[in-house]
Amino acid sequence: GEDVEQSLFLSVREGDSSVINCTYTDSSSTYLYWYKQEPGAGLQLLTYIFSNMDMKQDQRLTVLLNKKDKHLSLRIADTQTGDSAIYFCAEVSGGSYIPTFGRGTSLIVHP
Amino acid sequence: ETGVTQSPTHLIKTRGQQVTLRCSSQSGHNTVSWYQQALGQGPQFIFQYYREEENGRGNFPPRFSGLQFPNYSSELNVNALELDDSALYLCASSLDAGGRTDTQYFGPGTRLTVL
Repeated sequence: GEDVEQSLFLSVREGDSSVINCTYTDSSSTYLYWYKQEPGAGLQLLTYIFSNMDMKQDQRLTVLLNKKDKHLSLRIADTQTGDSAIYFCAEVSGGSYIPTFGRGTSLIVHP
Repeated sequence: ETGVTQSPTHLIKTRGQQVTLRCSSQSGHNTVSWYQQALGQGPQFIFQYYREEENGRGNFPPRFSGLQFPNYSSELNVNALELDDSALYLCASSLDAGGRTDTQYFGPGTRLTVL
């Protein structure tokens, strides 16, 4: 079945860039997503990328997709303390609309 | 704030009991999806309702059931609760079903603890 893997923790200094990585196994993945979850809150869709794209930029967020290696990354420029949260990678494959989520990466931003 | 609300915020039940969780979607959203998020895990898709009909289901047993009402509210029912059902239950509403780029707006979740 599908599998989405993420590292569990990332710690960065305020003002630095953060890079959160994700790998997936399903080669028929069509859409890949990044969600943010703050404590006590639901998930917020940050951005998504279609599988025929290599890169997508949206303000401080840059998504890179290496389809050959099934590797997705989210770069957050000028990371702020408000960016501290859990970030989930998710993929939707083939004709499905059901997303498969990773376990989430906990981003800690310290001064 | 997404406009999606869930109730209750927290709930404690015992094994074998039944529970009903509620969600109020954004006005105009025809689709609601329910997810189970165990501690330290990503959300797992339970099922989706579109215009009051079940539109797809994840790998969950029949004791997980749902309802969607015309007033943009919905319910998740779980019978014969098990300890492993302890989790955060999230609902998400969207304009339409099956739209992979259609933004899902998540509620804050209901934390269910089964003792």
